[in-house]
Amino acid sequence: DIVMTQSPDSLAVSLGERATINCKSSQSVLYSSNNKNYLAWYQQRPGQPPKLLIDWASTRESGVPDRFSGSGSGTDFTLTISSLQAEDVAVYFCQQYYSTMITFGQGTRLEIK
Amino acid sequence: EVQLVASGGGLVQPGGSLRLSCAASGFTFSSYWMHWVRQVPGKGLVWVSRIKSDGSRTSYADSVKGRFTISRDNAKNTLYLQMNSLRAEDAAVYYCARDKGDVVVQTATWYFDLWGRGTLVTVSS
Repeated sequence: DIVMTQSPDSLAVSLGERATINCKSSQSVLYSSNNKNYLAWYQQRPGQPPKLLIDWASTRESGVPDRFSGSGSGTDFTLTISSLQAEDVAVYFCQQYYSTMITFGQGTRLEIK
Repeated sequence: EVQLVASGGGLVQPGGSLRLSCAASGFTFSSYWMHWVRQVPGKGLVWVSRIKSDGSRTSYADSVKGRFTISRDNAKNTLYLQMNSLRAEDAAVYYCARDKGDVVVQTATWYFDLWGRGTLVTVSS
């Protein structure tokens, strides 16, 4: 199975500041035939189910604020929140869908400093 | 409203069985692959199983293969997970999730654009 490793495990950022979460896969999730990275990001607020933020490593879902952005390719990916808002307090997960055995990162807890 | 509502969780003894349900509404349930994903409270997400839109294909994580069975009733807009021979390590919140696939060509993507509120399964004697 592809192992997804996120860093850091937790992060405290001041309101209005940038938050950066990293995700590394144990093998490339870039499909060469279509040049797409099979990587999604989810936000899970306390007591809520996960919510899809970004797919194909960098495509924001409809309705997701543009302060959220995804980048990276191959095995290394980043979720960036450009200006942290109070409602962004959550756990963030990356997920690879390159392999039929779907796997998630362990999660990164984001808090307000 | 587009939503998924999971139910059927509860306390079960090791070795016991439980059937989870997930009621879909607000979208054409029969057009989508569907999945179950579980999460130990405070921990990470683990994919459990998936089923094709017409129920003809299923897949399972190795940890549940042979013990869990996913199924669906498209007439009732409902997804199921039959869990047998339950173990302590199966205890988790179970989420049903919709695959963000292409409903026109009936292909799946293996990631999830709609999640239901989970149902808690506790396995304990």
